[in-house]
Amino acid sequence: EIVLTQSPTTTAASPGEKVTITCLASSSVSNMYWYQQKSGASPKLLIYSTSSLASGVPDRFSGSGSGTSYSLTINTMEAEDAATYYCQQWSSNPLTFGSGTKLEIK
Amino acid sequence: EVQLVESGGGLVQPGRSLKLSCLASGFTFSNYGMNWIRQAPGKGLEWVASISSSSSYIYYADTVKGRFTISRDNAKNTLYLQMTSLRSEDTALYYCARLRRLHYFDYWGQGVMVTVSS
Repeated sequence: EIVLTQSPTTTAASPGEKVTITCLASSSVSNMYWYQQKSGASPKLLIYSTSSLASGVPDRFSGSGSGTSYSLTINTMEAEDAATYYCQQWSSNPLTFGSGTKLEIK
Repeated sequence: EVQLVESGGGLVQPGRSLKLSCLASGFTFSNYGMNWIRQAPGKGLEWVASISSSSSYIYYADTVKGRFTISRDNAKNTLYLQMTSLRSEDTALYYCARLRRLHYFDYWGQGVMVTVSS
């Protein structure tokens, strides 16, 4: 099973600040996917195929990486970006999620 | 508009069974693989099971293999999860999600709560 380790576990950013969340895979994966989950809501797809923005997602979000190291970046933090973010892989079975990064607004 | 609406959750005693349903609308259900993903209270996301569009391919997480059965009825646009021998650790919000390009989930339902307790 491929384990996805996200860091940081929790972080806070001021409006306008740049935020980077990292997802390290225990083995190489071909792509990474990112979801945003706001409190009390279902997860929402943010990034697919490592760096492609899902429909309707603001372009302040971006994804990058390869092999075992991937990242999600929010270029300029906004209050509405406060949420928990999860990475996910399905390069090999079973499908796994990272443990999540909780992002708060300062 | 794509909609996924789960139902069938509730409080159940350990060792008993429960069947979840997910009614899909707004897209051609028979063209997409579907999945169940759960989230224990205050915890992260855990993939549970996957079924291909024609039910030819089915996969389970080790934690539910042998106890849960995923199925679908394309004529009724409905995904199912039959859960047996339920344990306290199965307590979670269960989401159904549409699989896109065999790798990720582009639409999620609102979730249905399953509580396993005596």
